[in-house]
Amino acid sequence: ETGVTQTPRHLVMGMTNKKSLKCEQHLGHNAMYWYKQSAKKPLELMFVYNFKEQTENNSVPSRFSPECPNSSHLFLHLHTLQPEDSALYLCASSQVTGTGDSPLHFGNGTRLTVT
Amino acid sequence: TQLLEQSPQFLSIQEGENLTVYCNSSSVFSSLQWYRQEPGEGPVLLVTVVTGGEVKKLKRLTFQFGDARKDSSLHITAAQPGDTGLYLCAGANAGNNRKLIWGLGTSLAVNP
Repeated sequence: ETGVTQTPRHLVMGMTNKKSLKCEQHLGHNAMYWYKQSAKKPLELMFVYNFKEQTENNSVPSRFSPECPNSSHLFLHLHTLQPEDSALYLCASSQVTGTGDSPLHFGNGTRLTVT
Repeated sequence: TQLLEQSPQFLSIQEGENLTVYCNSSSVFSSLQWYRQEPGEGPVLLVTVVTGGEVKKLKRLTFQFGDARKDSSLHITAAQPGDTGLYLCAGANAGNNRKLIWGLGTSLAVNP
């Protein structure tokens, strides 16, 4: 496989569930990101990892918990979510952080619905 | 707060027509990226413009970065159904953190 792969593609969960989103990149990049894409809002950067160290957390609620075990894998652990958390969650990678310096390669996202 | 405004928000045209979409801000950017996102997929980078006044061409797509590096345009010649998608612009903050500021996108539908 090449590029950035996200699983699952679709996820429906209740507010009391715990689930995880997975992202894997096969590009040899050093930086990985989680973005949230909602209708009528710009892409929202959630977390940034550089060489598996978290370098940015944009005031994301603690019900979202990222994990980056190595430079190729990124997880987003979800628990006690709210209906307003329903959105498309996109994973991305880039050669370096400082996203203006190198382009982002996105996965196809996980469409999350919280009921 | 830095904002990137994209216009129009929605555009529906017939195959073969030309169109231009815009990305405007009051802020200066060190660079600006254009992405296209097709339904059910993630955004894919089309081009990065860096120099004020720069023009880049990608087949039927022409990208221009404003002289003051505050705005950009994307012109598509003879649009095809395969051009359908959400066009997003993202400006890199001219400050040290180089954060990307995203627009809301222009949703383009090209009808056969």
